[in-house]
Amino acid sequence: AQSVTQLGSHVSVSEGALVLLRCNYSSSVPPYLFWYVQYPNQGLQLLLKYTTGATLVKGINGFEAEFKKSETSFHLTKPSAHMSDAAEYFCAGGDRGGSEKLVFGKGTKLTVNP
Amino acid sequence: DSGVTQTPKHLITATGQRVTLRCSPRSGDLSVYWYQQSLDQGLQFLIQYYNGEERAKGNILERFSAQQFPDLHSELNLSSLELGDSALYFCASSVVSNYGYTFGSGTRLTVV
Repeated sequence: AQSVTQLGSHVSVSEGALVLLRCNYSSSVPPYLFWYVQYPNQGLQLLLKYTTGATLVKGINGFEAEFKKSETSFHLTKPSAHMSDAAEYFCAGGDRGGSEKLVFGKGTKLTVNP
Repeated sequence: DSGVTQTPKHLITATGQRVTLRCSPRSGDLSVYWYQQSLDQGLQFLIQYYNGEERAKGNILERFSAQQFPDLHSELNLSSLELGDSALYFCASSVVSNYGYTFGSGTRLTVV
């Protein structure tokens, strides 16, 4: 069965520093992969997605993620953190040709220090 | 505004009671998904409806049920509520899942 693992429930960076949030998937067939962001007391907002084609995916707010089949990873990065990036980030995977549900990781809470 | 509307935003009720959560999907989306978000379990898939029909079922308790109506809005019914049912309940909609979901802002249920 599809599973998604996020390494690190909390990540803290300084403003202007690189953001790296890790996500690994477990699936014999590379799934569709997504990153969502959740701000306090709000719903989840889609940051970016990988379905097919180019393995480096650019999303909103300067975030990008690279699909690496050999490492079964889909890590999220941003070159320079901004205070407004403080939120919880969720990686999710969906099976190709199977159930349409998305399986979510446990989430990583990003803190940005001034 | 994501286009997915959930009501109510907050709900406080007593153990043993029954509540109904409502979701209106984004215009044009035929699929509706319900998720439960709690601190210990994270985001758990409950159930999916597609154009009025149940499409997939996840970790949904027998005390919970859902339906999707002809106008595509969906309701999640939670009965015989327990303290452990306190959580955020999200509805999401999509055209097809490989494009990702659009989430509503959630209903925060507190059972006292």
